[in-house]
Amino acid sequence: GAVVSQHPSRVICKSGTSVKIECRSLDFQATTMFWYRQFPKQSLMLMATSNEGSKATYEQGVEKDKFLINHASLTLSTLTVTSAHPEDSSFYICSARDTYGDTQYFGPGTRLTVL
Amino acid sequence: QKEVEQNSGPLSVPEGAIASLNCTYSDRGSQSFFWYRQYSGKSPELIMFIYSNGDKEDGRFTAQLNKASQYVSLLIRDSQPSDSATYLCAVFGRALTFGSGTRLQVQP
Repeated sequence: GAVVSQHPSRVICKSGTSVKIECRSLDFQATTMFWYRQFPKQSLMLMATSNEGSKATYEQGVEKDKFLINHASLTLSTLTVTSAHPEDSSFYICSARDTYGDTQYFGPGTRLTVL
Repeated sequence: QKEVEQNSGPLSVPEGAIASLNCTYSDRGSQSFFWYRQYSGKSPELIMFIYSNGDKEDGRFTAQLNKASQYVSLLIRDSQPSDSATYLCAVFGRALTFGSGTRLQVQP
């Protein structure tokens, strides 16, 4: 199957700092990438849809100025959590949809801990 | 009504038995249906997808789709302890919409 990578896999930061998470599709082109957040024992929550070359579409309740998304190429999307706070601690997972199909492939996730 | 509904479980089956996981969805126009498996602390991995009514088999897994009833299921034959995980049903529209998942426990 298609491979999606995420970096870093784990990050610990101080409150007030910004953290950037990269999502790459390694062997396919992804016009659309998605960012999810998952709290312990809860389901995936879609945060935003990222389209290459255009602004991301954010889900209701997700602050676009706090969660900055850039999708500059067909294989890379980044999520920057700005001025992170402890309540932002979560498991952030990206997925990428093959340009020619419906299937979404997930990255391995990034566990963010804000102290 | 949630867009994609699953019983949260846990569903407990003995090793070697058939595990049956069910999912209903509300958008009658949905065209693509997916089953993902998620181990604790890991991201989801795709098991199967199905587009057409009927059954689709892949090894020990069979996906069943009934668009008239807006129902999709996943059968796991010869369940193994390694199958213990949360199984997420997802339905494709603008984006994949996930159910809350069913936790499966396979007892040795």
